[in-house]
Amino acid sequence: DGGITQSPKYLFRKEGQNVTLSCEQNLNHDAMYWYRQDPGQGLRLIYYSQIVNDFQKGDIAEGYSVSREKKESFPLTVTSAQKNPTAFYLCASNDRGLNTEAFFGQGTRLTVV
Amino acid sequence: GESVGLHLPTLSVQEGDNSIINCAYSNSASDYFIWYKQESGKGPQFIIDIRSNMDKRQGQRVTVLLNKTVKHLSLQIAATQPGDSAVYFCAENRPGNTPLVFGKGTRLSVIA
Repeated sequence: DGGITQSPKYLFRKEGQNVTLSCEQNLNHDAMYWYRQDPGQGLRLIYYSQIVNDFQKGDIAEGYSVSREKKESFPLTVTSAQKNPTAFYLCASNDRGLNTEAFFGQGTRLTVV
Repeated sequence: GESVGLHLPTLSVQEGDNSIINCAYSNSASDYFIWYKQESGKGPQFIIDIRSNMDKRQGQRVTVLLNKTVKHLSLQIAATQPGDSAVYFCAENRPGNTPLVFGKGTRLSVIA
């Protein structure tokens, strides 16, 4: 089945540690996105990539890093520089340059302990 | 009725009634709009979309209306059911190669 998969579903991190969230899609989409969602709030764009080996900062990129070495994969690293990392993280993808919807993964809930 | 809470605005409706969720967008050149539904703990799911050359589009129990004059988008859900309880987001596609821009979201609460 085609889709976008995030893992793990739940992640716990100690303060000061880096942690990487996985996002894989088999939809052959050029563009991929990472959003952060805090309880009872909307989606905020962290990073996005419209083509392999290229990515751009979104609205809240500080404390995060990404890579796009393969079309199918867009991992997000939450670094120790991110002061408030506890949140729900959503990955999405769509066809770049076309008026089509973005498909979302099921999210990763990150908790700092 | 509709109220604004600490975060997301909330719309409460009786089961079986129609729901109307509103969204204001910011860019008059935006050419494509989407409504998403997000259930608790899950990723947003596509509901319906509309292009700027249309002012109305209907799906199964849902209708999206687009008023470009006042930059307003609405989602109408007919005969609202408990399973419709979720947060609803609108998204706009702005000109240029930029990501979709999401609205703040509205929480729909269906009273059985």
